[in-house]
Amino acid sequence: KAGVTQTPRYLIKTRGQQVTLSCSPISGHRSVSWYQQTPGQGLQFLFEYFSETQRNKGNFPGRFSGRQFSNSRSEMNVSTLELGDSALYLCASSLGSATDTQYFGPGTRLTVL
Amino acid sequence: AQSVTQLGSHVSVSEGALVLLRCNYSSSVPPYLFWYVQYPNQGLQLLLKYTSAATLVKGINGFEAEFKKSETSFHLTKPSAHMSDAAEYFCAVSNYGQGAQKLVFGQGTRLTINP
Repeated sequence: KAGVTQTPRYLIKTRGQQVTLSCSPISGHRSVSWYQQTPGQGLQFLFEYFSETQRNKGNFPGRFSGRQFSNSRSEMNVSTLELGDSALYLCASSLGSATDTQYFGPGTRLTVL
Repeated sequence: AQSVTQLGSHVSVSEGALVLLRCNYSSSVPPYLFWYVQYPNQGLQLLLKYTSAATLVKGINGFEAEFKKSETSFHLTKPSAHMSDAAEYFCAVSNYGQGAQKLVFGQGTRLTINP
């Protein structure tokens, strides 16, 4: 089975721009979660989608949004980028229950200049 | 709300020595606990998970962890460290309120192996 894939792997943007990141889950997985990883804040939960519905949301501003398509692929969008948005953005997929393992992709490294 | 504390942001051991990475959790409901490993420039890989079955959980690469409710701990151990174990390790608790799935991570422990 193919693992979780994320595109692009690296992105460089400037302040004020917007960016869209993509995540393709493992086949059969209906839950996709997004996490932001920074040296200062560590790993923080952004949101989770299950069957095209946002099921849970972390404490991030409204500039961070996401969606999930009928094939379970997910996108994350960040508008009006700030320097502090520079991070590794990780996507994870699972079958969707609390005990199910979340399988992580390699991440997208976003640099905001 | 659930939380995780990892004691020691950096741990250094000699090759062949015991590895012990500490994790304490806080949870108002029976927790589901996970250990993940992250190698440089990669995502997270699951080492093992506790989901209320056996309290001693065996994972990949010779790692194991013991759930101790009385101590609210879930420490990760490996009897003999290998150079390839050098990485960052994260303990996480699953916040499963409202049926949703969300992992709450500790700050991570960077493991260095000395030859």
